[in-house]
Amino acid sequence: NAGVTQTPKFQVLKTGQSMTLQCAQDMNHNSMYWYRQDPGMGLRLIYYSASEGTTDKGEVPNGYNVSRLNKREFSLRLESAAPSQTSVYFCASSEEGRVVALHFGNGTRLTVT
Amino acid sequence: ILNVEQSPQSLHVQEGDSTNFTCSFPSSNFYALHWYRWETAKSPEALFVMTLNGDEKKKGRISATLNTKEGYSYLYIKGSQPEDSATYLCAHSNFGNEKLTFGTGTRLTIIP
Repeated sequence: NAGVTQTPKFQVLKTGQSMTLQCAQDMNHNSMYWYRQDPGMGLRLIYYSASEGTTDKGEVPNGYNVSRLNKREFSLRLESAAPSQTSVYFCASSEEGRVVALHFGNGTRLTVT
Repeated sequence: ILNVEQSPQSLHVQEGDSTNFTCSFPSSNFYALHWYRWETAKSPEALFVMTLNGDEKKKGRISATLNTKEGYSYLYIKGSQPEDSATYLCAHSNFGNEKLTFGTGTRLTIIP
């Protein structure tokens, strides 16, 4: 049982390049999330998807787009990467409900030069 | 308290000793409080999700208490072991998981 799988683990981009971070979960969870982790700050929500076919902005959505491809997969796209998007990105999923724990992937370390 | 604050930021504890640390959060519009354990190079793993004032949850040597009226939660580790070395995150919600606000964590190092 793999849980939440993120790819790639590491990525270096030049300013202006685009890329997509992939996330898949095999726990049949309805809800999926993308967070970023920056030094000295707590995890901040970029986008989330409460169910297949729906996506909503989180706290820091600017510069990102997402796609909930199906129930398993939730991708995060940087259309034109900026140095401010250098961060560690975490995908998470949870069962339906408001008082349920998040299950996290191992993270993607992205550097934008 | 407007945000989630965790203290101390870091902590070194001798193996075998017990320890505790604090998560402070806004006491108004409380919905849930999460604790996660995050080992280096791994993903954060859920320890507890708590909702009721006065609740206490336990998982092995780790336990947590919750005071929603004054806005704090304590995490306790009894008889620390080297494998307890990790960053412990708390997160507060005033609605659901889409409104979770994370603290910056307490980094715990157990000294053998």
